[in-house]
Amino acid sequence: DIVMTQSPDSLAVSLGERATINCKSSHSILYSSNNMNYLAWYQQKPGQPPKLLIYWASTRESGVPDRFSGSGSGTDFTLTISSLQAEDVAVYFCQQFYDTPYSFGQGTKLEIK
Amino acid sequence: QVQLQESGPGLVKPSQTLSLSCTVSGGAVSSGNYYWNWIRQPAGKGLEWIGHIFSSGETNYSPSLKSRVTISLDTSKNQFSLKVRSVTAADTAVYYCARNVRNGYFDPWGQGTLVTVSS
Repeated sequence: DIVMTQSPDSLAVSLGERATINCKSSHSILYSSNNMNYLAWYQQKPGQPPKLLIYWASTRESGVPDRFSGSGSGTDFTLTISSLQAEDVAVYFCQQFYDTPYSFGQGTKLEIK
Repeated sequence: QVQLQESGPGLVKPSQTLSLSCTVSGGAVSSGNYYWNWIRQPAGKGLEWIGHIFSSGETNYSPSLKSRVTISLDTSKNQFSLKVRSVTAADTAVYYCARNVRNGYFDPWGQGTLVTVSS
Protein backbone atom coordinates (compact mmCIF):
# COMPACT_ATOMS: atom_id res chain seq x y z
CA ASP A 1 0.00 0.00 0.00
CA ILE A 2 1.12 3.57 -0.68
CA VAL A 3 1.46 5.72 2.44
CA MET A 4 1.04 9.49 2.08
CA THR A 5 2.70 11.73 4.67
CA GLN A 6 2.07 15.46 4.90
CA SER A 7 4.09 18.13 6.65
CA PRO A 8 3.55 20.11 8.70
CA ASP A 9 0.49 18.88 10.60
CA SER A 10 -0.51 22.49 11.20
CA LEU A 11 0.58 25.82 9.86
CA ALA A 12 -0.11 29.46 10.79
CA VAL A 13 0.50 32.08 8.12
CA SER A 14 -0.20 35.82 8.03
CA LEU A 15 -2.77 37.16 5.60
CA GLY A 16 -1.17 37.89 2.25
CA GLU A 17 1.81 35.65 2.94
CA ARG A 18 2.74 32.38 1.24
CA ALA A 19 1.66 29.02 2.65
CA THR A 20 3.44 25.81 1.66
CA ILE A 21 2.28 22.29 2.43
CA ASN A 22 4.33 19.22 1.60
CA CYS A 23 3.23 15.69 0.75
CA LYS A 24 5.46 12.65 0.40
CA SER A 25 4.45 9.26 -0.96
CA SER A 26 6.08 5.98 0.07
CA HIS A 27 6.19 4.87 -3.56
CA SER A 28 6.56 6.85 -6.76
CA ILE A 29 3.17 7.87 -8.13
CA LEU A 30 4.56 8.95 -11.47
CA TYR A 31 3.20 6.68 -14.18
CA SER A 32 5.97 6.32 -16.73
CA SER A 33 3.75 5.54 -19.72
CA ASN A 34 2.05 8.95 -19.64
CA ASN A 35 4.45 10.94 -17.42
CA MET A 36 1.60 11.92 -15.12
CA ASN A 37 1.71 12.13 -11.34
CA TYR A 38 -1.38 10.55 -9.82
CA LEU A 39 -1.81 13.07 -7.01
CA ALA A 40 -4.67 15.34 -5.96
CA TRP A 41 -5.07 18.08 -3.36
CA TYR A 42 -8.31 18.76 -1.50
CA GLN A 43 -9.49 21.54 0.79
CA GLN A 44 -11.89 20.74 3.61
CA LYS A 45 -13.73 23.31 5.70
CA PRO A 46 -15.64 22.36 8.89
CA GLY A 47 -18.83 20.47 8.24
CA GLN A 48 -18.14 20.18 4.50
CA PRO A 49 -16.87 17.41 2.24
CA PRO A 50 -13.42 17.73 0.73
CA LYS A 51 -13.27 20.00 -2.29
CA LEU A 52 -10.98 19.13 -5.19
CA LEU A 53 -8.37 21.84 -5.76
CA ILE A 54 -5.66 20.25 -7.90
CA TYR A 55 -5.20 16.99 -9.79
CA TRP A 56 -2.37 15.41 -11.77
CA ALA A 57 -0.21 17.17 -9.13
CA SER A 58 -0.40 20.56 -10.83
CA THR A 59 -3.66 20.98 -12.77
CA ARG A 60 -5.99 23.44 -11.07
CA GLU A 61 -9.66 22.47 -10.96
CA SER A 62 -12.02 24.84 -12.74
CA GLY A 63 -13.02 27.75 -10.50
CA VAL A 64 -10.11 27.37 -8.08
CA PRO A 65 -8.29 30.69 -7.57
CA ASP A 66 -4.90 30.91 -9.21
CA ARG A 67 -3.22 31.63 -5.88
CA PHE A 68 -3.38 27.84 -5.41
CA SER A 69 -0.69 25.87 -7.22
CA GLY A 70 0.70 22.37 -7.07
CA SER A 71 4.14 21.07 -7.93
CA GLY A 72 6.40 18.07 -7.56
CA SER A 73 6.94 14.68 -9.13
CA GLY A 74 7.62 11.09 -8.20
CA THR A 75 7.36 10.99 -4.41
CA ASP A 76 7.55 14.65 -3.31
CA PHE A 77 4.81 17.20 -3.85
CA THR A 78 3.91 20.69 -2.68
CA LEU A 79 0.74 22.75 -2.46
CA THR A 80 1.40 26.48 -2.41
CA ILE A 81 -1.01 29.28 -1.63
CA SER A 82 0.77 32.37 -2.90
CA SER A 83 -1.11 34.99 -0.88
CA LEU A 84 -3.21 33.65 1.97
CA GLN A 85 -6.79 34.87 2.20
CA ALA A 86 -9.10 34.48 5.20
CA GLU A 87 -11.30 32.04 3.29
CA ASP A 88 -8.34 29.68 2.83
CA VAL A 89 -8.47 28.60 6.48
CA ALA A 90 -9.14 24.88 6.20
CA VAL A 91 -7.58 21.44 6.38
CA TYR A 92 -5.73 20.36 3.25
CA PHE A 93 -5.26 16.74 2.16
CA CYS A 94 -3.16 15.15 -0.54
CA GLN A 95 -4.30 11.87 -2.11
CA GLN A 96 -2.73 9.35 -4.44
CA PHE A 97 -4.88 7.75 -7.12
CA TYR A 98 -2.03 5.75 -8.66
CA ASP A 99 -3.22 2.48 -7.17
CA THR A 100 -5.78 0.96 -4.85
CA PRO A 101 -6.16 1.14 -1.96
CA TYR A 102 -6.32 4.87 -2.65
CA SER A 103 -4.79 6.78 0.25
CA PHE A 104 -4.73 10.25 1.74
CA GLY A 105 -2.25 12.23 3.76
CA GLN A 106 -3.18 12.87 7.38
CA GLY A 107 -4.09 16.49 6.64
CA THR A 108 -2.56 19.90 7.32
CA LYS A 109 -4.54 22.45 9.28
CA LEU A 110 -3.98 25.95 7.94
CA GLU A 111 -4.73 28.92 10.18
CA ILE A 112 -4.20 32.66 10.19
CA LYS A 113 -1.29 33.98 12.26
CA GLN B 1 -24.06 18.07 -13.18
CA VAL B 2 -23.80 14.91 -11.11
CA GLN B 3 -24.74 15.15 -7.44
CA LEU B 4 -24.46 12.51 -4.72
CA GLN B 5 -26.39 12.26 -1.45
CA GLU B 6 -25.81 9.78 1.37
CA SER B 7 -28.62 8.42 3.51
CA GLY B 8 -29.05 5.89 6.30
CA PRO B 9 -29.30 5.44 10.06
CA GLY B 10 -27.18 7.75 12.16
CA LEU B 11 -26.89 5.29 15.05
CA VAL B 12 -25.89 1.63 14.89
CA LYS B 13 -25.38 -0.76 17.80
CA PRO B 14 -22.05 -2.56 18.24
CA SER B 15 -21.82 -5.92 16.44
CA GLN B 16 -24.64 -4.96 14.06
CA THR B 17 -24.47 -3.99 10.38
CA LEU B 18 -24.08 -0.42 9.17
CA SER B 19 -26.06 0.21 5.98
CA LEU B 20 -25.86 3.37 3.89
CA SER B 21 -27.06 4.38 0.44
CA CYS B 22 -25.82 7.00 -1.97
CA THR B 23 -28.36 8.41 -4.41
CA VAL B 24 -26.94 9.75 -7.65
CA SER B 25 -28.66 12.50 -9.63
CA GLY B 26 -27.65 13.92 -12.99
CA GLY B 27 -26.15 10.68 -14.24
CA ALA B 28 -26.72 6.92 -14.25
CA VAL B 29 -24.70 4.65 -11.97
CA SER B 30 -24.90 1.93 -14.60
CA SER B 31 -23.32 3.86 -17.46
CA GLY B 32 -19.99 5.38 -18.28
CA ASN B 33 -16.52 4.64 -17.05
CA TYR B 34 -17.20 5.68 -13.49
CA TYR B 35 -16.38 4.11 -10.15
CA TRP B 36 -18.61 4.78 -7.18
CA ASN B 37 -16.69 5.05 -3.93
CA TRP B 38 -17.18 5.07 -0.20
CA ILE B 39 -14.77 7.04 1.99
CA ARG B 40 -14.96 7.67 5.73
CA GLN B 41 -13.55 10.18 8.19
CA PRO B 42 -13.57 9.76 11.99
CA ALA B 43 -14.12 13.02 13.82
CA GLY B 44 -11.05 15.22 13.69
CA LYS B 45 -9.10 12.65 11.70
CA GLY B 46 -8.06 11.83 8.17
CA LEU B 47 -9.82 10.22 5.23
CA GLU B 48 -9.95 6.46 4.63
CA TRP B 49 -10.96 4.90 1.33
CA ILE B 50 -13.32 1.96 1.96
CA GLY B 51 -13.87 0.66 -1.56
CA HIS B 52 -15.67 1.15 -4.84
CA ILE B 53 -17.95 -0.43 -7.39
CA PHE B 54 -17.77 -0.04 -11.15
CA SER B 55 -20.81 0.47 -13.34
CA SER B 56 -20.50 -3.20 -14.34
CA GLY B 57 -20.79 -4.30 -10.71
CA GLU B 58 -17.07 -5.10 -10.25
CA THR B 59 -15.91 -4.23 -6.74
CA ASN B 60 -12.61 -3.42 -5.04
CA TYR B 61 -12.19 -3.03 -1.29
CA SER B 62 -9.53 -1.75 1.06
CA PRO B 63 -7.69 -4.76 2.49
CA SER B 64 -8.16 -3.38 6.00
CA LEU B 65 -11.96 -3.59 5.69
CA LYS B 66 -12.46 -6.22 2.99
CA SER B 67 -13.65 -8.96 5.35
CA ARG B 68 -16.53 -6.81 6.67
CA VAL B 69 -17.60 -4.66 3.71
CA THR B 70 -19.97 -5.07 0.76
CA ILE B 71 -20.70 -2.41 -1.85
CA SER B 72 -23.55 -2.95 -4.28
CA LEU B 73 -25.44 -1.17 -7.07
CA ASP B 74 -29.20 -0.64 -7.34
CA THR B 75 -29.73 0.61 -10.88
CA SER B 76 -33.51 0.84 -10.47
CA LYS B 77 -33.03 3.49 -7.79
CA ASN B 78 -29.83 4.92 -9.30
CA GLN B 79 -28.08 4.23 -6.02
CA PHE B 80 -25.11 2.37 -4.64
CA SER B 81 -24.90 1.06 -1.12
CA LEU B 82 -22.44 0.20 1.63
CA LYS B 83 -22.72 -2.49 4.29
CA VAL B 84 -20.21 -2.83 7.10
CA ARG B 85 -20.72 -5.89 9.29
CA SER B 86 -19.83 -6.41 12.93
CA VAL B 87 -19.28 -2.73 13.67
CA THR B 88 -17.43 -1.35 16.69
CA ALA B 89 -16.87 2.15 18.03
CA ALA B 90 -13.90 2.41 15.66
CA ASP B 91 -16.37 2.51 12.75
CA THR B 92 -17.89 5.77 14.04
CA ALA B 93 -17.24 8.33 11.30
CA VAL B 94 -18.66 10.61 8.67
CA TYR B 95 -19.21 8.45 5.61
CA TYR B 96 -18.90 10.03 2.17
CA CYS B 97 -19.75 8.72 -1.25
CA ALA B 98 -17.77 10.01 -4.23
CA ARG B 99 -17.24 9.34 -7.91
CA ASN B 100 -14.05 8.79 -9.85
CA VAL B 101 -12.77 7.14 -12.99
CA ARG B 102 -10.27 4.29 -12.90
CA ASN B 103 -7.15 5.64 -11.20
CA GLY B 104 -8.75 9.07 -10.94
CA TYR B 105 -9.33 11.76 -8.37
CA PHE B 106 -12.59 11.98 -6.42
CA ASP B 107 -15.12 14.45 -7.74
CA PRO B 108 -17.89 15.05 -6.90
CA TRP B 109 -18.47 14.10 -3.26
CA GLY B 110 -21.66 13.77 -1.29
CA GLN B 111 -22.19 15.97 1.75
CA GLY B 112 -21.45 13.09 4.11
CA THR B 113 -23.47 11.40 6.82
CA LEU B 114 -22.41 10.81 10.42
CA VAL B 115 -22.76 7.26 11.70
CA THR B 116 -22.23 6.64 15.40
CA VAL B 117 -21.70 3.14 16.75
CA SER B 118 -23.01 2.99 20.29
CA SER B 119 -25.32 0.92 22.44
